[in-house]
Amino acid sequence: GAGVSQSPSNKVTEKGKDVELRCDPISGHTALYWYRQSLGQGLEFLIYFQGNSAPDKSGLPSDRFSAERTGGSVSTLTIQRTQQEDSAVYLCASSLDPFTDTQYFGPGTRLTVL
Amino acid sequence: AQKVTQAQTEISVVEKEDVTLDCVYETRDTTYYLFWYKQPPSGELVFLIRRNSFDEQNEISGRYSWNFQKSTSSFNFTITASQVVDSAVYFCALSGISGAGSYQLTFGKGTKLSVIP
Repeated sequence: GAGVSQSPSNKVTEKGKDVELRCDPISGHTALYWYRQSLGQGLEFLIYFQGNSAPDKSGLPSDRFSAERTGGSVSTLTIQRTQQEDSAVYLCASSLDPFTDTQYFGPGTRLTVL
Repeated sequence: AQKVTQAQTEISVVEKEDVTLDCVYETRDTTYYLFWYKQPPSGELVFLIRRNSFDEQNEISGRYSWNFQKSTSSFNFTITASQVVDSAVYFCALSGISGAGSYQLTFGKGTKLSVIP
């Protein structure tokens, strides 16, 4: 079946602009995660969704970052007033069950802030 | 707090050599899962194996094998008879219940494996 998909695959933006990153999880997966991968920080957790609710937003680095999930499926990560330090690969993962199941990752969105 | 340490930043081996990637973890959870993921140059994280904290049996899958030892908090990964296609960054990860009820993965920094033909 189809895996996790993310769009766009690459995004180049200017400092101060807002960006939206999209994640389509594997069908039927109730848990959805966003991570960020950067050279300096490695792989960092950002936010976790169970259904449409986000019980854990502890990884969001600032209030410029927000995310939502609708219909228990698609999720959008929004970064407002982008900064150069936001440049990274943003990865989305989903799992059937939040604890006992494996998280499967999408191909990521490479964000470059000029 | 959870922590995963992959002390080897980069490893180079000649094709057909065996190589072991080390992973040491820290957690206060009694129930947890350990994972290995592979990230080839294409960039996508590919799941390799999951092991729960109650199952210390070693596992072999083709040329891959994993050694889980709770006594030393280690979950090492061995590739036998390495091939060029094994060249990638390998991540060890740990999941447990965070204070917010999440099951986020805590990743090590990764080990970059280069297999030289």
